[in-house]
Amino acid sequence: SQTIHQWPATLVQPVGSPLSLECTVEGTSNPNLYWYRQAAGRGLQLLFYSVGIGQISSEVPQNLSASRPQDRQFILSSKKLLLSDSGFYLCAWSENLQVNEQFFGPGTRLTVL
Amino acid sequence: ILNVEQSPQSLHVQEGDSTNFTCSFPSSNFYALHWYRWETAKSPEALFVMTLNGDEKKKGRISATLNTKEGYSYLYIKGSQPEDSATYLCAFLPYGQNFVFGPGTRLSVLP
Repeated sequence: SQTIHQWPATLVQPVGSPLSLECTVEGTSNPNLYWYRQAAGRGLQLLFYSVGIGQISSEVPQNLSASRPQDRQFILSSKKLLLSDSGFYLCAWSENLQVNEQFFGPGTRLTVL
Repeated sequence: ILNVEQSPQSLHVQEGDSTNFTCSFPSSNFYALHWYRWETAKSPEALFVMTLNGDEKKKGRISATLNTKEGYSYLYIKGSQPEDSATYLCAFLPYGQNFVFGPGTRLSVLP
């Protein structure tokens, strides 16, 4: 069966510090991978989408970047965090057709102080 | 920017009541609509993937309908139970683009 892992579960970082959130998927090959953010009082916003190694699509201009160094590894990064980067970050995967349902990880709660 | 709306924002029902809520999305360029249930302290889980106008899907006491021409989907819960308490998200997928999630409907079922 497939599983998706995210870490860390919670993170408190000062403004201006770097960020690295990691997501890995097990039990499937060549998944579509997604990074979402839920800011306070808002719905899920798609940040990045990847269909393969090294292929990243960015949905919104922001202070964040994503990388996919391996087939089942998706990393969300920032060089300098802003207060507005606080939120709940979810990684998700789906089978190769975009229409397929997405499976979400447990999420990371990021607080930028 | 595509707008996906859900109503109501939240609702409280008594155990045993039936309830429904709405997801509204642009009626053009439709490709798919997903419904997810997001329980507190858990990850969102898919309920339905809907792709055809007139689709009706059912899973136990939960069902959903889809009208792509007018741009809405309804989610129904029959005989609500406390374990149905969650936020219900819809996600609209336009052709050639990526998912846009609605803000969710928060359901509380009181025993």
